[in-house]
Amino acid sequence: DAGITQSPRHKVTETGTPVTLRCHQTENHRYMYWYRQDPGHGLRLIHYSYGVKDTDKGEVSDGYSVSRSKTEDFLLTLESATSSQTSVYFCAISAFSNTEAFFGQGTRLTVV
Amino acid sequence: TQLLEQSPQFLSIQEGENLTVYCNSSSVFSSLQWYRQEPGEGPVLLVTVVTGGEVKKLKRLTFQFGDARKDSSLHITAAQPGDTGLYLCAGDNTDKLIFGTGTRLQVFP
Repeated sequence: DAGITQSPRHKVTETGTPVTLRCHQTENHRYMYWYRQDPGHGLRLIHYSYGVKDTDKGEVSDGYSVSRSKTEDFLLTLESATSSQTSVYFCAISAFSNTEAFFGQGTRLTVV
Repeated sequence: TQLLEQSPQFLSIQEGENLTVYCNSSSVFSSLQWYRQEPGEGPVLLVTVVTGGEVKKLKRLTFQFGDARKDSSLHITAAQPGDTGLYLCAGDNTDKLIFGTGTRLQVFP
């Protein structure tokens, strides 16, 4: 199994609070992605990174920010959580943008 | 609107039936991937198709990439309960990996 770990696995937070999700990899892959998964939408790309300090927006980036200061870590921050951000969040890594993506176990986030 | 649309969204069939899942886009992709996801887990790669018109077989699963590289299909022959899961297509779009809307398959014994 690819070495990719998400933390926390579950979180409940209140509306308006900041939340940070962490993705850690041990594979030295260049690409890292954050997706959210909601019924009927498959996986939607929030932000992605193609190298240290190189990040870009995905399909649903509003309300989210990311940082990648090291190859192995990719952080997703919800600056002020809203109920619409209740979702399951997946981190993925890949060597190239068109090669196999390996996924973490997911983080279930509930905003109340 | 998502870049990759899958149909049908849900599929519920009996063991032994055949089925086809479609993945369509107005954009051209250099390659398309198909993943399967089981409850509580992340998606896992099934296959990558690269050449327009390419057909790949993985046991009872047949994957086809459209000639124009805008669409793909997944055909399952004689479905089994173990095929149950969420099937996702994915394509490389300007240096990022985009996923489709997903097809949830339930195969009953």
